Amino acid sequence: GAVVSQHPSWVICKSGTSVKIECRSLDFQATTMFWYRQFPKQSLMLMATSNEGSKATYEQGVEKDKFLINHASLTLSTLTVTSAHPEDSSFYICSAMPGTGDYGYTFGSGTRLTVV
Amino acid sequence: DQQVKQNSPSLSVQEGRISILNCDYTNSMFDYFLWYKKYPAEGPTFLISISSIKDKNEDGRFTVFLNKSAKHLSLHIVPSQPGDSAVYFCAAVGSAGNKLTFGGGTRVLVKP
Repeated sequence: GAVVSQHPSWVICKSGTSVKIECRSLDFQATTMFWYRQFPKQSLMLMATSNEGSKATYEQGVEKDKFLINHASLTLSTLTVTSAHPEDSSFYICSAMPGTGDYGYTFGSGTRLTVV
Repeated sequence: DQQVKQNSPSLSVQEGRISILNCDYTNSMFDYFLWYKKYPAEGPTFLISISSIKDKNEDGRFTVFLNKSAKHLSLHIVPSQPGDSAVYFCAAVGSAGNKLTFGGGTRVLVKP
């Protein structure tokens, strides 16, 4: 089945630094990847849609200059949290959709980011 | 405004009994619905889905029912097992796009 690998699974960084999270589709090509954020005991909130070879589409209220998304290949999308602050601490999850266009969303295992 | 709502934040059920999780939506453009299971610090795992052209879809112990007129769907798990204890999210997607909209989740506890 479709597998999405997300790394790192957890990261602690200092305020003001940047953190990169990788999302890889291991056995399929993903033309579209999605990035979500989940606060404790809350739902998954879509941050942005990442399309291979083009600019990401950000949801309302998400700062594109703070959350940089790059989808340079059909198997890799990255989310970089720039100048991280404690309020950016959250659980970030990516998902990928196979290029076949069906609704076979597959999620990564998530990244716990803690900014100190 | 929440387009997908799960009004019950938690559910406790005895092992072997039925678990019923409910989900309501407001956007009439949604035409495909999915249920996910999620453990803490892990990504969601797909359980079952249903297209708006159907009113029921069954897969083993999991059955999803869709009432389009009421904009309501439910997930039935029977019989419930302790391993089913997790948070369950319903999600919806519309034909105009491919973005999933999630409900707030329902935490299920199955007691042995």
